Amino acid sequence: LAKTTQPISMDSYEGQEVNITCSHNNIATNDYITWYQQFPSQGPRFIIQGYKTKVTNEVASLFIPADRKSSTLSLPRVSLSDTAVYYCLVGDGGFKTIFGAGTRLFVKA
Amino acid sequence: NAGVTQTPKFQVLKTGQSMTLQCAQDMNHNSMYWYRQDPGMGLRLIYYSASEGTTDKGEVPNGYNVSRLNKREFSLRLESAAPSQTSVYFCASSSLGPSGMEHFGDGTRLSIL
Repeated sequence: LAKTTQPISMDSYEGQEVNITCSHNNIATNDYITWYQQFPSQGPRFIIQGYKTKVTNEVASLFIPADRKSSTLSLPRVSLSDTAVYYCLVGDGGFKTIFGAGTRLFVKA
Repeated sequence: NAGVTQTPKFQVLKTGQSMTLQCAQDMNHNSMYWYRQDPGMGLRLIYYSASEGTTDKGEVPNGYNVSRLNKREFSLRLESAAPSQTSVYFCASSSLGPSGMEHFGDGTRLSIL
């Protein structure tokens, strides 16, 4: 299972775009990149998943360069309600998903 | 549309007591999981069940047992609770395959005195 490295914390202001980068140098050919969001007192919630290039949904965009050794989660125009912990996971959807410590995003007014 | 339901939401135990945490999912998923999350930490996998009738150890299985009762339900048992097991416990389910995504319950907050 590929290890991931992401910043421990980030601060932003309402209305700004936030980019959280995750490094995964040992990603395998079959691995997908998945991001989850976790609010206090709740379980993690799936945000977005990708394999290569760019993926966009109603919540976020995920940018993956050609070598796939990193990925960037982009949150457009964040609001206070986007304050949460964001986890980057790399794996083939197998059974032993590993969550690191995540990135704590704090959005200020 | 309940998703993954965990009971109870909160529990306080004394050291040495036993307890079973319940989890049920209504998404017809084959795979189910139990995680623990300690303060300020990520989630650690305790046990998982790839499909009905099978269970396997995760990263931190010691002190726990699990039962995959049927396709919907996956329970976690603490036979003799210890203070080190104070944590928030999350149950999750997922579809199989490389793009399987895990759906989580809202957790059981367990304190062991």
